[in-house]
Amino acid sequence: QKEVEQDPGPLSVPEGAIVSLNCTYSNSAFQYFMWYRQYSRKGPELLMYTYSSGNKEDGRFTAQVDKSSKYISLFIRDSQPSDSATYLCAMSVSTTGGGNKLTFGTGTQLKVEL
Amino acid sequence: GAVVSQHPSWVICKSGTSVKIECRSLDFQATTMFWYRQFPKQSLMLMATSNEGSKATYEQGVEKDKFLINHASLTLSTLTVTSAHPEDSSFYICSAPKGGLAGGGFGPGTRLLVL
Repeated sequence: QKEVEQDPGPLSVPEGAIVSLNCTYSNSAFQYFMWYRQYSRKGPELLMYTYSSGNKEDGRFTAQVDKSSKYISLFIRDSQPSDSATYLCAMSVSTTGGGNKLTFGTGTQLKVEL
Repeated sequence: GAVVSQHPSWVICKSGTSVKIECRSLDFQATTMFWYRQFPKQSLMLMATSNEGSKATYEQGVEKDKFLINHASLTLSTLTVTSAHPEDSSFYICSAPKGGLAGGGFGPGTRLLVL
């Protein structure tokens, strides 16, 4: 079983739709939960991060964490064609070096159509 | 925000040659940097943790003699793919944490094609 599971999609939605992206995980030691957006042939861009159960909102994006169920979600409201990208969930535990190494989901490819 | 650069952005080389990829943190110092590899339509897989002033820590299954990592300074880590083969063709991405927070900045990636 992978530590982080994510539906690879692809997911196609019309412009303006609400998008729900989800990941499950098995490692209870994970402390930080992140969502990244990756455009084709580019490095990932951090969208949101959180470290507690509950919701965190930033503009059109809402990150949700349920530690009891080991389940995280990213909601995108009023989706736009520019949101078309691959969305990766990532999780981390602390490292002794002071940084945090990340375990990624496989990514969900999203296409928002006009 | 955190800015991380990589050089080169892409490279094509012949089988058997060595390729060096640089990762730099531009506006902050990073005692730790991470190197990932991403195959097409797959997620990022952590290869190794680069530690300034000490040896890199490699993930299980990653050959340390093939993927040489040198954390030369607090702003520079290099990954050298030695004796590259076509199966090493991939997208290599580095990241550098900033401020102790998870994630931090990712570089734009280096696409390697070994012929």
